[in-house]
Amino acid sequence: GENVEQHPSTLSVQEGDSAVIKCTYSDSASNYFPWYKQELGKRPQLIIDIRSNVGEKKDQRIAVTLNKTAKHFSLHITETQPEDSAVYFCAVSTSGTYKYIFGTGTRLKVLA
Amino acid sequence: DAGITQSPRYKITETGRQVTLMCHQTWSHSYMFWYRQDLGHGLRLIYYSAAADITDKGEVPDGYVVSRSKTENFPLTLESATRSQTSVYFCASSHTETQYFGPGTRLLVL
Repeated sequence: GENVEQHPSTLSVQEGDSAVIKCTYSDSASNYFPWYKQELGKRPQLIIDIRSNVGEKKDQRIAVTLNKTAKHFSLHITETQPEDSAVYFCAVSTSGTYKYIFGTGTRLKVLA
Repeated sequence: DAGITQSPRYKITETGRQVTLMCHQTWSHSYMFWYRQDLGHGLRLIYYSAAADITDKGEVPDGYVVSRSKTENFPLTLESATRSQTSVYFCASSHTETQYFGPGTRLLVL
């Protein structure tokens, strides 16, 4: 079955710096790659997603890149702010199933 | 987000008891999902449903039962709770690929 690895598990950056989180997956049939942000005690919330027919997508300070050949995708956050501190999860879905396999999460700390 | 709710939000029970966690969504989404979240494991899929009366197992279904008689409801039952089922449980729903999560239920099994 599908396997998703996420790195790093924790990441500390200075305010204003960039943060990058990477996920690798195993199933070449996977075609949808969302990223969720989860603040302490809250529900996961979608922040950006990308489909397999697109290589990059950007939304203000957040971007996601996808390399289908290497089976990895990355979340990029620029100009980090303290409110970006949270746990970020990547997920992978295969066409027609709508099921997700999640990565194990990255705890991002933005230091003021 | 207010379109998907879970109850109870907190629950304490004892080993061997039956517990039902409720999930309700107002969007008429076809798909609904149950996940458990444990430290070090992220979110793992327990069961999912593609429509009313259609359910299927996820990664970690043992010890859980689901039903879906109505599109808007997707209850999760722990038939005989064990300490290893202490976790935070999230329900989610979707119309297409994007899933929207409920607020979660924090369950403690003593």
